[in-house]
Amino acid sequence: GEQVEQRPPHLSVREGDSAVIICTYTDPNSYYFFWYKQEPGAGLQLLMKVFSSTEINEGQGFTVLLNKKDKQLSLNLTAAHPGDSAVYFCAVTYQGGRALIFGTGTTVSVSP
Amino acid sequence: ETAVFQTPNYHVTQVGNEVSFNCKQTLGHDTMYWYKQDSKKLLKIMFSYNNKQLIVNETVPRRFSPQSSDKAHLNLRIKSVEPEDSAVYLCASSLYTEVFFGKGTRLTVV
Repeated sequence: GEQVEQRPPHLSVREGDSAVIICTYTDPNSYYFFWYKQEPGAGLQLLMKVFSSTEINEGQGFTVLLNKKDKQLSLNLTAAHPGDSAVYFCAVTYQGGRALIFGTGTTVSVSP
Repeated sequence: ETAVFQTPNYHVTQVGNEVSFNCKQTLGHDTMYWYKQDSKKLLKIMFSYNNKQLIVNETVPRRFSPQSSDKAHLNLRIKSVEPEDSAVYLCASSLYTEVFFGKGTRLTVV
């Protein structure tokens, strides 16, 4: 079955720096890709969904790139601030499928 | 804003007891899920359920069972808890592809 590797497991950056998290998946049939943010004591907050190949999406303070050729999904936190401190998860699912397969998570700490 | 509601937030129980966690979604979604998040933050699907089909992750022990009264509710029952069941249990729902999560129930088995 699908396996999703997420790197790095931990990331410490200073406020204003950028931070990049990369997920590599194995199944070429993976179709929908997601980034979630989990703050302490909270559930998973959906940041973005992508499904087109080689797509760059910009959100509030972050950019997501999907490279289907290399089976990679990345999240770039641009100009990080302390409110970005959280655990970030990538997730994938198949076309017609619903249950998400998650990456292993990245704990991001942003210091002032 | 949370639209997937889980109760309780926390639960501490002894080995061998039965526990039940509740989940309700107000989004009008047709599919609900239970995920387990372990102490290393790893997330694994346990069950997905809509009014037609229950899909069970084959690695889930048989002491776990989902219970649904309607498409807005999916509870999780654990018949006889074991220490390795200590985790955060996250309920979720979806209509198409986007999955929305509750805040979780943290179970501690002593």
